[in-house]
Amino acid sequence: ETGVTQTPRHLVMGMTNKKSLKCEQHLGHNAMYWYKQSAKKPLELMFVYNFKEQTENNSVPSRFSPECPNSSHLFLHLHTLQPEDSALYLCASSQERRPSGMNTGELFFGEGSRLTVL
Amino acid sequence: AQSVTQLDSHVSVSEGTPVLLRCNYSSSYSPSLFWYVQHPNKGLQLLLKYTSAATLVKGINGFEAEFKKSETSFHLTKPSAHMSDAAEYFCVVSDRGTYNTDKLIFGTGTRLQVFP
Repeated sequence: ETGVTQTPRHLVMGMTNKKSLKCEQHLGHNAMYWYKQSAKKPLELMFVYNFKEQTENNSVPSRFSPECPNSSHLFLHLHTLQPEDSALYLCASSQERRPSGMNTGELFFGEGSRLTVL
Repeated sequence: AQSVTQLDSHVSVSEGTPVLLRCNYSSSYSPSLFWYVQHPNKGLQLLLKYTSAATLVKGINGFEAEFKKSETSFHLTKPSAHMSDAAEYFCVVSDRGTYNTDKLIFGTGTRLQVFP
């Protein structure tokens, strides 16, 4: 196991539903990420939280709302999604260095939440 | 801006034969490069990384990759494929995001099939 746990592993929802994806890391890392993995497309970075602060929002539609209450937990709240949002959503964590300098670049991924929007 | 191109979407090999997964990168400065592997229904796992030390990098499970600046390549190789190597492989280059958080740029992936 990688130390990053995602729940639920599978989720089917209608376009009017509200649901949340949860990610928890047990590695003591200080940065957490949401990625979207769709068929035939590169992995897309959605959000980055560094020391609980959102440091990246990669032009993600507002129907995706992240929440990071502490360095170990990350949520992705879903509301009025579209069928094209169906994908595998991957959470990852890493140990970032401050105040500057290159980081290791090693991400630890969860197994993903497979989302299907009907 | 950084980018990576994985030249093959699918590679098929027989068990016991060599594996070559090709990756070319584009970078405006000295890059960090990575290979990640994703087995079916699993998350991604780091195989190996290059961060300007030795150009030949050894990773887990017998994989290695060579950084060739003149060719802007970072191909992944293994001398002898095993059935358990069947997976999706991603070439990744680092970019500098905000607040010094590395932003990893992923390739589109190469699916490796291994036949008995």
